[in-house]
Amino acid sequence: EPEVTQTPSHQVTQMGQEVILRCVPISNHLYFYWYRQILGQKVEFLVSFYNNEISEKSEIFDDQFSVERPDGSNFTLKIRSTKLEDSAMYFCAKARASDEQFFGPGTRLTVL
Amino acid sequence: EDQVTQSPEALRLQEGESSSLNCSYTVSGLRGLFWYRQDPGKGPEFLFTLYSAGEEKEKERLKATLTKKESFLHITAPKPEDSATYLCAVHSGNTGKLIFGQGTTLQVKP
Repeated sequence: EPEVTQTPSHQVTQMGQEVILRCVPISNHLYFYWYRQILGQKVEFLVSFYNNEISEKSEIFDDQFSVERPDGSNFTLKIRSTKLEDSAMYFCAKARASDEQFFGPGTRLTVL
Repeated sequence: EDQVTQSPEALRLQEGESSSLNCSYTVSGLRGLFWYRQDPGKGPEFLFTLYSAGEEKEKERLKATLTKKESFLHITAPKPEDSATYLCAVHSGNTGKLIFGQGTTLQVKP
């Protein structure tokens, strides 16, 4: 059974459109993260979320990005106006504390 | 600035041919070094956490070790199913964010 599920598995969108990527942590954890991986590159940190607040965000996580935990279970990443360079795999991860993070299978975002 | 460098970038082994992957790191106050396995198009799969120099952990054909500057992932008698990209990461800052290396892509031929 997966620790984390993500939907959709693949999202194709036009440049300038809004996308919402969803993550469902299967069991209760306190720390949530979003990472992205551009094809052939490193996994990069985007944002960390603790106690329903952003605890840290990277330079990549500009005003076009936002995160929410709207109903206490889902954890979403919204990109308001997508750019070509936003094309990447987006991974959600969870942790109990400062220990191992469990990653979801990812959403492949393709911006045309 | 916290940084992680992995070598080699790619490694080809024959089945049964043991080898090691290297992860060099610079971080202000290590609070954990992590090894993950990533298959193509999938999310990273957790393997090991190491916290202090001298620590070792094993799982099947894999053994991870840690010094003050680097970590090694030793693969003993690998099988084709061990083919994957192995990622090393360190905790950075106070929020638990991970800084990843670029990975080592391992191919094990039968």
